[in-house]
Amino acid sequence: GEDVEQSLFLSVREGDSSVINCTYTDSSSTYLYWYKQEPGAGLQLLTYIFSNMDMKQDQRLTVLLNKKDKHLSLRIADTQTGDSAIYFCAESILGVTGGGNKLTFGTGTQLKVEL
Amino acid sequence: NAGVTQTPKFQVLKTGQSMTLQCAQDMNHEYMSWYRQDPGMGLRLIHYSVGAGITDQGEVPNGYNVSRSTTEDFPLRLLSAAPSQTSVYFCASSYSKDSGNTIYFGEGSWLTVV
Repeated sequence: GEDVEQSLFLSVREGDSSVINCTYTDSSSTYLYWYKQEPGAGLQLLTYIFSNMDMKQDQRLTVLLNKKDKHLSLRIADTQTGDSAIYFCAESILGVTGGGNKLTFGTGTQLKVEL
Repeated sequence: NAGVTQTPKFQVLKTGQSMTLQCAQDMNHEYMSWYRQDPGMGLRLIHYSVGAGITDQGEVPNGYNVSRSTTEDFPLRLLSAAPSQTSVYFCASSYSKDSGNTIYFGEGSWLTVV
């Protein structure tokens, strides 16, 4: 079955790097995503990685994928107060019983950036 | 370019009332879905549709109905609201079942059942 797990909270100081971790169980994942949710707002797609990649970098964001361990991480360099939000990882599995893009989300990690 | 539009953004219902959450997309997407978000549980799939006239159940479908009479619209109906349905609801769409990297979410609908 599908299960995506994240730690619930992370606190960092402004300017430090943040690393948010995620583990998943379904080895047939095709895409893995990171979404950001600010208070009272919807989900914003931050970045995604295809399952045959190990790493993807996009400005301050670095995504690392360890497919053997089914471990995904999001590193935010030079974390700012505006990065305070809930971060969700999600996996997408193609063509599951005709369900198409069925996303399975983690529980979300609340990132708090302190001055 | 509206993307995925959900209405209403906020709603308070009494137990037993029914209501419909509206979702519309203007991107000609085939695939649409509804999720609910609860604290500490991430987002869970309620129902989804792979095209007009086709719907199927997700992980937590009980108490909800959907229909897909047009490509653009995918309303979610609460038949008899219960306090357990207090949640934030998100509608999502993508072009096709293979569009793994282009899934668009609405802004969310905050529902409280008292």
